[in-house]
Amino acid sequence: KAGVTQTPRYLIKTRGQQVTLSCSPISGHRSVSWYQQTPGQGLQFLFEYFSETQRNKGNFPGRFSGRQFSNSRSEMNVSTLELGDSALYLCASSPVGGDTQYFGPGTRLTVL
Amino acid sequence: AQTVTQSQPEMSVQEAETVTLSCTYDTSENNYYLFWYKQPPSRQMILVIRQEAYKQQNATENRFSVNFQKAAKSFSLKISDSQLGDTAMYFCAFMTRVTSGTYKYIFGTGTRLKVLA
Repeated sequence: KAGVTQTPRYLIKTRGQQVTLSCSPISGHRSVSWYQQTPGQGLQFLFEYFSETQRNKGNFPGRFSGRQFSNSRSEMNVSTLELGDSALYLCASSPVGGDTQYFGPGTRLTVL
Repeated sequence: AQTVTQSQPEMSVQEAETVTLSCTYDTSENNYYLFWYKQPPSRQMILVIRQEAYKQQNATENRFSVNFQKAAKSFSLKISDSQLGDTAMYFCAFMTRVTSGTYKYIFGTGTRLKVLA
């Protein structure tokens, strides 16, 4: 099976802009989680989607949002970008009833 | 609140030697899972090993093994016969069920391991 894919791999934006990141889970996986990874904070949980519904949410401002489509692909949106949003954004998928997450390669977002 | 602590930000080991990465966690849960993930410089996070808390036997995957001490809430990773390809950031993760079908993951801040030739 193909692994988790994320697009784009690299992104450069300026403050105030918005950005949309995409994640395609492993075939058959219906749960998709998003994380923000920064050198000082490690991996911080953003949210999790299952069957197009947000099941779990981390402590991030409302500028961070997401959605999941019927084919389990997920998108994450960040509006009004701030310098502090510069990070590696990781997506992970899990099978139904599964407890192990499988990660994508990440999208490196740089906000100037 | 659950926490995961990796007290070694950086470590190095000579090729073919053995190294142990430490991880401690705090929880009041009795049923949970623990993981070690590896993130090489190319950034793809890879599952290294998985341990179920109700299993007393320590998990092993080839050169990777864990020392799971439930009472002490410790979950260390031992890498035997270290190889250059083991150079990576290693994350310890704790997972517990939040509601039916939903899991909550908490990651440590990582240990950067460098294997020296």
